[in-house]
Amino acid sequence: AQKITQTQPGMFVQEKEAVTLDCTYDTSDPSYGLFWYKQPSSGEMIFLIYQGSYDQQNATEGRYSLNFQKARKSANLVISASQLGDSAMYFCAMRDFDTGNQFYFGTGTSLTVIP
Amino acid sequence: ETGVTQSPTHLIKTRGQQVTLRCSSQSGHNTVSWYQQALGQGPQFIFQYYREEENGRGNFPPRFSGLQFPNYSSELNVNALELDDSALYLCASSRTGGGNYNEQFFGPGTRLTVL
Repeated sequence: AQKITQTQPGMFVQEKEAVTLDCTYDTSDPSYGLFWYKQPSSGEMIFLIYQGSYDQQNATEGRYSLNFQKARKSANLVISASQLGDSAMYFCAMRDFDTGNQFYFGTGTSLTVIP
Repeated sequence: ETGVTQSPTHLIKTRGQQVTLRCSSQSGHNTVSWYQQALGQGPQFIFQYYREEENGRGNFPPRFSGLQFPNYSSELNVNALELDDSALYLCASSRTGGGNYNEQFFGPGTRLTVL
């Protein structure tokens, strides 16, 4: 079964606008972590933001925020004030502590920021 | 800067050959995970090494093997290369047993092409 689902293969956003990238996850473990990574064309995975399953508040890191809806099992990434440099692939990932330290990744969303 | 390094950057091999990829973990991290990322896909977990032993494995055949050294660096070995092994191989380091368990930083990757 797919652990992480990203349903948006590609997204476009106007520069300076906000954009939401969707992510849903599947786990029966009450303890897990959710991550978002950015992968530019260079290939390196860049950590953006983390949300723990027991965290009461949504995580924020600068222009990135994570809209965590536990009952819906969703962890959407919100990027505010988009910049041209935000154009990249974005991956949602989950660390399922029930299966150790393995990270499960989604198939990614390609974001293009339009000037 | 993540501090995770990988070598080589690119590699071209032919079917049936063997390959060794190398990874140096970030300072303070004792765990190394390896991922295979095929073109247009999300990373797939191969295995993880902690305390010089395999600590979890994804759905990869035994011809994928690894090592971790006392300095926490790691190698990924792939025997009897197949065309489908062509991918970006990502190494990630983290810390098990203390510290920020939510951290996992990736190296720049090794792009392997099998002809």
